Amino acid sequence: DAKTTQPTSMDCAEGRAANLPCNHSTISGNEYVYWYRQIHSQGPQYIIHGLKNNETNEMASLIITEDRKSSTLILPHATLRDTAVYYCIVRLWNSGNTPLVFGKGTRLSVIA
Amino acid sequence: DGGITQSPKYLFRKEGQNVTLSCEQNLNHDAMYWYRQDPGQGLRLIYYSQIVNDFQKGDIAEGYSVSREKKESFPLTVTSAQKNPTAFYLCASSIDLSTGELFFGEGSRLTVL
Repeated sequence: DAKTTQPTSMDCAEGRAANLPCNHSTISGNEYVYWYRQIHSQGPQYIIHGLKNNETNEMASLIITEDRKSSTLILPHATLRDTAVYYCIVRLWNSGNTPLVFGKGTRLSVIA
Repeated sequence: DGGITQSPKYLFRKEGQNVTLSCEQNLNHDAMYWYRQDPGQGLRLIYYSQIVNDFQKGDIAEGYSVSREKKESFPLTVTSAQKNPTAFYLCASSIDLSTGELFFGEGSRLTVL
């Protein structure tokens, strides 16, 4: 699976959009981008995933660049409860015996 | 409610003692996983299982053992051979091994004194 690069930490004002970037320049054509978040001392929570089209659900939007070398997770109106570590993971769909690999992620602090 | 239950949430043990962490799911998922997390670090895979009576070593399996006798249960034993067992342990499950959508439990924090 391709490697991802994320900033170590970011701040966002409450009520504003939080835009979390992820670089995955070695991504291959059949690798998906997954996003998870982990609130302090809890288990990670799946947020969203995509291949090449932009995706949106009740939690967030995922914007993937046309060349697929980077993506951005958008939390449209960040709240204090969105303070967490956000993980960007690239993985082959139906990759058989390869469970998800979590890096260190981006620590997002939402500030009142 | 469907989900994954880990117990205990906090556990203290003396050095040299084996410890078993429980993980139960009622999601009817085939695949289950154990990850370890150290402060400020990402998750590292210990063991995973894609079906009953089958499991595979992850990246850091040394000093750990698992069993998968029932679909719902995937207990992890931290043995005395694990040199630095103090950590946050996370169990997860998924429909099968091919999906990237995992459901995690709340974690078990083990402290070895």
